[in-house]
Parts: sequence; C-alpha cells; structure tokens
Amino acid sequence: QKEVEQNSGPLSVPEGAIASLNCTYSDRGSQSFFWYRQYSGKSPELIMSIYSNGDKEDGRFTAQLNKASQYVSLLIRDSQPSDSATYLCAVRLSGGSNYKLTFGKGTLLTVNP
Amino acid sequence: NAGVMQNPRHLVRRRGQEARLRCSPMKGHSHVYWYRQLPEEGLKFMVYLQKENIIDESGMPKERFSAEFPKEGPSILRIQQVVRGDSAAYFCASSHPAGGGNSPLHFGNGTRLTVT
Repeated sequence: QKEVEQNSGPLSVPEGAIASLNCTYSDRGSQSFFWYRQYSGKSPELIMSIYSNGDKEDGRFTAQLNKASQYVSLLIRDSQPSDSATYLCAVRLSGGSNYKLTFGKGTLLTVNP
Repeated sequence: NAGVMQNPRHLVRRRGQEARLRCSPMKGHSHVYWYRQLPEEGLKFMVYLQKENIIDESGMPKERFSAEFPKEGPSILRIQQVVRGDSAAYFCASSHPAGGGNSPLHFGNGTRLTVT
C-alpha cells in the first residue's frame, strides 16, 4: 500500500473556479501534513501546513484534514492561471524524532483562462 | 535571509565519474534532507542528516551513494561511478529543530544531474 496517494490528474478547471485537490495516507499515526506547489522545472514551495482536524484557511487556500478518514485536501478558490502547477501532498509519518516528509506523486492542476 | 542554497544548479558527468552535490541549509536550520526527483515522478526521500549524524538513510541506494553533514560547511551528497539512471533532479531541504514534528521542509533550487 502506497504511503501517500494523490490523483495524478491532470485536473483542469476554468479561471475563477474552485480547484479541489485530494490526498490519502496510510499511516494512522501521522501528525503533520503539508501542501507544496511545484512549477515545472522548479523546486517545491510550501503553501500550507495543517496539524489538527478541520479546516485551515490562508488567503485563497483552504486545507482540510480528517484524521479518522486519513484524508487531507487543498481547496483553491478563485483559481488563476498562475496557479497552474503540480501540487504535492506531504505527510510526516509517525515515528519519534524522524522528521522526514513522505510525498505523494502530485496532482497536475491546469487553470484555463 | 538566504534560503537553502544548492550548487551547482546543473551538473553534467560522464558515466563512471563522481558527482558531488552541495547544500547549505537556511540559517538556524540544523536538519538537512536529500530528495531525488525523476521526470514525471514524485519526490523520493534519500537521506536525513543532522550535524555530523545520519539519522535516516533508508532511501539511499546501498552502493555508490553517500551523504555527510559535517560540523562546519555544507552537506554533501556524493555519487560515485555515476550511471545514466542517476540522471535526475536532486533537491536538498532543511528544517528548523525548534518546531520538531511540525517544522516544514524548505527546499533549495535543486541540482539537475545529467549523466552522458
């Protein structure tokens, strides 16, 4: 079973719409969850982190976490063409002081003008 | 306030040569991570280091690959006798120790290794 799973996409939405990106993880004890954005040929950049069940909002971005369902999502409101990128879900699996992150393969988002 | 610095940005090596990739973490960060990314694939964890210690090398190939993070100076990822399959983007990331399990990773710009 893969540790962190994402739909590879591509996910295509029109400009101004809400983009919904989903991620599931296998380790029930995972505590920390992150969303990164990666433009083609560039490095991953942190968008949001979430640690508790519920929603966390930052500007046009909302992260949602449901630990019981082992599910984390990212909503992008008012999507812009500049949001077109690959979105990576990352999970810090349980295991003491090992702080590495495990990444999903990413979802390619295309926002059409 | 410099971010994670990696060099070189691009590295070309012929088969059988050695590749050395360098990474200086963000100021105040003492945890360093190396990831490899192949085209159209996700980020694969290789190794996690703290100053002078390898904490987790479960993602490192058993042969030809090594990593260090000395007391002074940058972290080094070393690939000996490179093969074409080593061609990839290698990303270094760092995190601050104070945040513990909640600390995000901050990535450098990566080194694109091409083996000819």
